[in-house]
Parts: sequence; structure tokens; C-alpha cells
Amino acid sequence: KAGVTQTPRYLIKTRGQQVTLSCSPISGHRSVSWYQQTPGQGLQFLFEYFSETQRNKGNFPGRFSGRQFSNSRSEMNVSTLELGDSALYLCASCPENSYEQYFGPGTRLTVT
Amino acid sequence: GEDVEQSLFLSVREGDSSVINCTYTDSSSTYLYWYKQEPGAGLQLLTYIFSNMDMKQDQRLTVLLNKKDKHLSLRIADTQTGDSAIYFCAESASGTYKYIFGTGTRLKVLA
Repeated sequence: KAGVTQTPRYLIKTRGQQVTLSCSPISGHRSVSWYQQTPGQGLQFLFEYFSETQRNKGNFPGRFSGRQFSNSRSEMNVSTLELGDSALYLCASCPENSYEQYFGPGTRLTVT
Repeated sequence: GEDVEQSLFLSVREGDSSVINCTYTDSSSTYLYWYKQEPGAGLQLLTYIFSNMDMKQDQRLTVLLNKKDKHLSLRIADTQTGDSAIYFCAESASGTYKYIFGTGTRLKVLA
């Protein structure tokens, strides 16, 4: 089975712009979660989706949003980018009736 | 509140055992996990333990859980240079996929 894939792998944006990141879960996995990883704050939970519904949300401002499609693919959007949004954004998927999350390679976002 | 703590660095000689420690505060945690992250890569799930277990062994990996002290450890037997990476412990509460991660322990294996 193919693993979790994330696109793009690298992205450079300017302050004030918006960005959309994409995640394709492992086939058959319906839960998709997003995390932000920075040197200062470590790994922080953004949100989790299951069957196109957001089930859990972390403590991030409303500029961070996400959605999930009927094929379980997910996107996250960050609007009005700030320098502090520079991070590795990781997506993880989880099979039903399990709490094992499998992570993708991440998208490294740099905001200049 | 939820908090997971780990020591930042560990250095061992090739062939020795490594023990990486983690403490957590959320008593409702149901699952506890160990992940490995190599440079430029995502997180690789190594193993996990259910909160009603004390120990789990998986090849070179042994996980010990002390629920009373909220202490989790990962022992890597016969540590190899390929084990050099950052190791994260994480917890999740019952019924949720929201993981709380520790700060990560950077393991350096000396040849």
C-alpha cells in the first residue's frame, strides 16, 4: 500500500499570501489529522477530519482551516500568512477502529 | 493540563542499549506512542502501548509503562548508527485522534 502523500513538499510564500496544502491518506483510511512542527513549539495538533467532518481542533487561529473530500483526501489552508507560520506541516491518516496514525513526509512552508 | 516531557539529547555507543524516557500528565491517556523522525522526513510509527499494559516488546524495541508515575520508556537493544534520529513520545486520550507530542529526544549513536 502506498503511504500518506503530501503535496507540495516545499513551498515559499510571502507574508500576507494564502496557501493550500494537500494530503492523500493511505487507501482505506478515513481519518486525517494535521500537525504543525516548528523548532520552538514542537509538534502541535491542528485538526482532524473523518468522513468530511472536523472532529477535533487544536488551538490555532481561524486563519488555519481545513477540509476533507469524499475520497478522504484533505486540504489545509492558511490565509494571511505570517512569518511564524513557517513550519513543517505533517498530515497523518488512521484506519478505522485504530488509534495508530501514519504520517506523511510533510510540506515545508517558508514564509518570507 | 496535557504535557509530555522528554530529555533533549542522548548519546550511546554502537552495540549498547539506549533508553529514552518520557513523562506525561494526562491520566486519561489511553494510548502512548513512540515515533522516530530522521532528518528531512516525517514521523515513523515505531510502536505503541495501550494504557492497561505494563510492557510491550517488538524485536529490538521494549516499551515500559509505569502508570502510577506516568512514565514511559523506550529501550533499543543493540543500538545501530541507523538508529540515530529524533524520538518522540506521544499520548492520546480515549476516543480522540489528537496526539500530544513530547519535545523529542535526539539520539546520537557513536561508531
